[in-house]
Amino acid sequence: NAGVTQTPKFRVLKTGQSMTLLCAQDMNHEYMYWYRQDPGMGLRLIHYSVGEGTTAKGEVPDGYNVSRLKKQNFLLGLESAAPSQTSVYFCASSRVPSSAVYEQYFGPGTRLTVT
Amino acid sequence: GNSVTQMEGPVTLSEEAFLTINCTYTATGYPSLFWYVQYPGEGLQLLLKATKADDKGSNKGFEATYRKETTSFHLEKGSVQVSDSAVYFCALSNSGGSNYKLTFGKGTLLTVNP
Repeated sequence: NAGVTQTPKFRVLKTGQSMTLLCAQDMNHEYMYWYRQDPGMGLRLIHYSVGEGTTAKGEVPDGYNVSRLKKQNFLLGLESAAPSQTSVYFCASSRVPSSAVYEQYFGPGTRLTVT
Repeated sequence: GNSVTQMEGPVTLSEEAFLTINCTYTATGYPSLFWYVQYPGEGLQLLLKATKADDKGSNKGFEATYRKETTSFHLEKGSVQVSDSAVYFCALSNSGGSNYKLTFGKGTLLTVNP
């Protein structure tokens, strides 16, 4: 099992460019999440998905779009990158929470710099 | 809404020292509480969890007790090692309508020197 993988690991963009981050999981998890991590801010939820073909907004969705066309993949898109989107992006997945007790499994992260 | 407050770092200790990282929370209902650890260059991993009041979570020598009366979930380890150097995140999930969501604290950087 590879768990949760993210592509790419690093990327530098110029302001206004677009890109897509790919997340893949091989644990057959229903739920997937995208977070961003900024110094002193902890992790903030950008978007999430509760199943194939569904997506929903998290805490900080502006400037991002997502798609979940296949259960194992969750894509995060930046249509027009801004310096404020410089961050480390983490993808996570989990089984369907049958109670509040469940574990999210995280990928290794993508470090994005927008100049 | 839910919130998690954890002690600000960085925390620097010598090997074999005692560690405490404080975490308090605000939540409705009966949340579950977690500690996640992030080693340098890696994603987050679940370290331990507790699901109800007075539960103690433990793993790799780390412990935390769910204290409902003080809304706290402090992380402790009796003797830290250099390999424990990492960022530690306290988090909660709630059994209410948004039970898929984890609310994280801002993280505490721990450095252990030999």
